[in-house]
Amino acid sequence: AQTVTQSQPEMSVQEAETVTLSCTYDTSESNYYLFWYKQPPSRQMILVIRQEAYKQQNATENRFSVNFQKAAKSFSLKISDSQLGDTAMYFCAFMNSGTYKYIFGTGTRLKVLA
Amino acid sequence: GAVVSQHPSWVICKSGTSVKIECRSLDFQATTMFWYRQFPKQSLMLMATSNEGSKATYEQGVEKDKFLINHASLTLSTLTVTSAHPEDSSFYICSAEREGGGTQYFGPGTRLTVL
Repeated sequence: AQTVTQSQPEMSVQEAETVTLSCTYDTSESNYYLFWYKQPPSRQMILVIRQEAYKQQNATENRFSVNFQKAAKSFSLKISDSQLGDTAMYFCAFMNSGTYKYIFGTGTRLKVLA
Repeated sequence: GAVVSQHPSWVICKSGTSVKIECRSLDFQATTMFWYRQFPKQSLMLMATSNEGSKATYEQGVEKDKFLINHASLTLSTLTVTSAHPEDSSFYICSAEREGGGTQYFGPGTRLTVL
């Protein structure tokens, strides 16, 4: 069975600084997708970034980028130029392309300090 | 694009009553929708997968007779909590998968409180 591990329950970062959230996963599948979602205090889940396992190039979305290490089964999220609005819970998710089901990690609570 | 709505956003009901929650994809068609439950300060737990025109697939440990799911159209799935009890109080979130894309887009959630 697939598992997703987020080993940092809480993190904080100064505004304008860079922070990296870690995520590791375990799977025997070769075709899958990985996601980072943000859940602010409103509790609305917002897609941050998506990575297809077959792509070697790391995905980027503006200030958000990932470091996808397929052999190590690692999928970390880097947030550059952190903003107060980035304060939220961040969830890493794994999706097997056959089932479309997500497996979520336990989340990392990020606080951006002014 | 890819907006998902949920209604109601919060509901309070008496023990023993049934509550229906609607999930709609507003600007795309979704053959597959998902229902999650989230307890405070915890991750999302998948309850069931809802496919348009067919029976829902429930995760292990989720009572299908208690959590009735109907996916009658490509834009609407409903979750009915039957004979609700205080332990059913939780935050329920739906998501919709954009056809063929794999990415799930989430609704804003429904807070259910059973007295």
